Amino acid sequence: EVQLVESGGNLVQPGGSLRLSCAASGFTFSTYSMNWVRQAPGKGLEWVSYISSTSRPILYADSVKGRFTISRDNAKNSLYLQMNSLSDEDTALYYCARDLGVPYNPAFDFWGRGTMVTVSS
Amino acid sequence: QSVLAQPPSVSGTPGQKVTISCSGSSSNIGSNAVTWFQQLPGAAPKLLIYTNNQRPSGVPDRFSGSKSATSASLAISGLQSEDEADYYCAAWDDSLSGPVFGGGTKLTVL
Repeated sequence: EVQLVESGGNLVQPGGSLRLSCAASGFTFSTYSMNWVRQAPGKGLEWVSYISSTSRPILYADSVKGRFTISRDNAKNSLYLQMNSLSDEDTALYYCARDLGVPYNPAFDFWGRGTMVTVSS
Repeated sequence: QSVLAQPPSVSGTPGQKVTISCSGSSSNIGSNAVTWFQQLPGAAPKLLIYTNNQRPSGVPDRFSGSKSATSASLAISGLQSEDEADYYCAAWDDSLSGPVFGGGTKLTVL
């Protein structure tokens, strides 16, 4: 059974940093591209970042470019999101999502339950 | 303001057919495939339709997708109470070099 379990969400002050993790199981993690998608409270979905199975290429939404860094460790079946210079606009539930691998096609076929990031003083 | 435009809400009665629209532009829907997600209350999104009209295994054939020019639609026939959820469309955007989502449509089953 495919499972994605996010962790690392917390309350952080504006300007602070946080590192999210996503533990994958039930599939061959090293052969799938992965994404981070976020959802602010009561709002819609926003794609954050993409990483291919080999860590190249990597893509970011303009809203996080230069502040967030996506990475993965295929030996540990884990996906990460390093978030720096956080602002209240980054407050959201962060999901990791597996990519079906169809080019230029956001077919995210499995999602975790998300981890909550709250940016507030 | 979402790049893809969806109606905030639609409603229908059990057994009815409803359609949710998703409007974009030449840089997204006009040149790339459309995906649809279902998000039940309190749950993570679920892939419903990809590549315009393909259903993952396990998704009932009551759900169907279509695309024409810069717009797409999700049709749900034989509406059931468990279909009450938020529905999101998504597509790759060539100008933004990444996926974009619609604002979501809340489906209410009366």
